[in-house]
Amino acid sequence: QAQLVQSGAEVKRFGASVKVSCKASGYNFKSYGFSWVRQAPGQGLEWMGWISTYNGDTNYAQNLQGRVAMTTDTSTNTAYMELRSLRSDDTAVYYCARDTNDVWSGYGMDVWGQGTTVTVSS
Amino acid sequence: DIQMTQSPSSLSASVGDRVTITCRASQGIGKSLAWYQHKPGEAPKLLIHGASILRPGVPSRFSGSGSGTDFTLTISSLQPEDVATYYCEKYASALWTFGQGTRVEIK
Repeated sequence: QAQLVQSGAEVKRFGASVKVSCKASGYNFKSYGFSWVRQAPGQGLEWMGWISTYNGDTNYAQNLQGRVAMTTDTSTNTAYMELRSLRSDDTAVYYCARDTNDVWSGYGMDVWGQGTTVTVSS
Repeated sequence: DIQMTQSPSSLSASVGDRVTITCRASQGIGKSLAWYQHKPGEAPKLLIHGASILRPGVPSRFSGSGSGTDFTLTISSLQPEDVATYYCEKYASALWTFGQGTRVEIK
């Protein structure tokens, strides 16, 4: 049974960086990509970006370009999302989700991690 | 960028009612649309992809339709466990976008 387990909650200062991990199990890691999605308090879901485990290609949301980096480690079946220069509006629950490996086609995000709360404060 | 607009933003209906949520894309997206159910404290759940393909294990009271720019999620008979926020999502073609969500409550 496919499962994604994320790292624990983080509290960060303004301007710091955070790196969230997402360990996959129960399926062939290199057959699927990952999307990262976040939800700020009282807000809707926001797609942050996508990474292919096949070739490492990435696609990031325009509003996060330059601050976000997504990587994968096929030796440990783990995906990572790093967000830099944290601001108060980065306070959110961050989710990883299994997605397509093809940037031009897909079928939705069918397996989700449990979410990681990131709190940014002074 | 393609924008996804959902309506209504919230609704309240009685148990057994038929509920319809619409999602409109600012440009044609074919059938590259998914619907998610999100309950507080839980991860979102994929209900439908390809605009109308029900995921395994999702109750048959959920259905999706549409293509191009106009899409619909229908709950044929609302149940108490359906209380959640529902999101449409345009996927692939290099950029993914969520609608703003529709909160569904029981009257």
